[in-house]
Amino acid sequence: DQQVKQNSPSLSVQEGRISILNCDYTNSMFDYFLWYKKYPAEGPTFLISISSIKDKNEDGRFTVFLNKSAKHLSLHIVPSQPGDSAVYFCAASYQKLVFGQGTRLTINP
Amino acid sequence: EAQVTQNPRYLITVTGKKLTVTCSQNMNHEYMSWYRQDPGLGLRQIYYSMNVEVTDKGDVPEGYKVSRKEKRNFPLILESPSPNQTSLYFCASSLFRGSYEQYFGPGTRLTVT
Repeated sequence: DQQVKQNSPSLSVQEGRISILNCDYTNSMFDYFLWYKKYPAEGPTFLISISSIKDKNEDGRFTVFLNKSAKHLSLHIVPSQPGDSAVYFCAASYQKLVFGQGTRLTINP
Repeated sequence: EAQVTQNPRYLITVTGKKLTVTCSQNMNHEYMSWYRQDPGLGLRQIYYSMNVEVTDKGDVPEGYKVSRKEKRNFPLILESPSPNQTSLYFCASSLFRGSYEQYFGPGTRLTVT
């Protein structure tokens, strides 16, 4: 049973435009949500997070939105840069971290 | 430099030949865990440890063992590897279980033939 789902395996965006990565979850007990970024041949690194009591958290070019009623999480990257090309994992936490399948983001020059 | 290290980074082995993947962290973290990453399945937790001598099963523990004799080390042991254990493995650590930000090692790509 996949409690955290990223339904888009890949996404391609033009440099300078907005990238929107989506994530859905099923467990209403999750109380914290995170996004990790992964480059080839490296481990995932923490990018941004949001508590379940908030609906938005911003850090520079990265903004995470949480819609609890829809059980939906999204990551916005504005403007997108070539260095943002990576695999992005969303994760949700309740006693432990549960990860989505990942979305491969490609930023085209 | 704060880091999680894993060795080896790449390993090709044959079915049934015991192997150990080492993991070490230098951040004095209490919580450590092992994940495997497979296409379309994301990261799934194999085992975790909340402190020295305290380990427990994650979501996919079959075929794996772990030990935590020292705080910094958390080796993953495959007693009799099988081809379905071919995967990319990550070790991770965090201050404690409630620390949501986990620090990951660089990964170990294992192929079992």
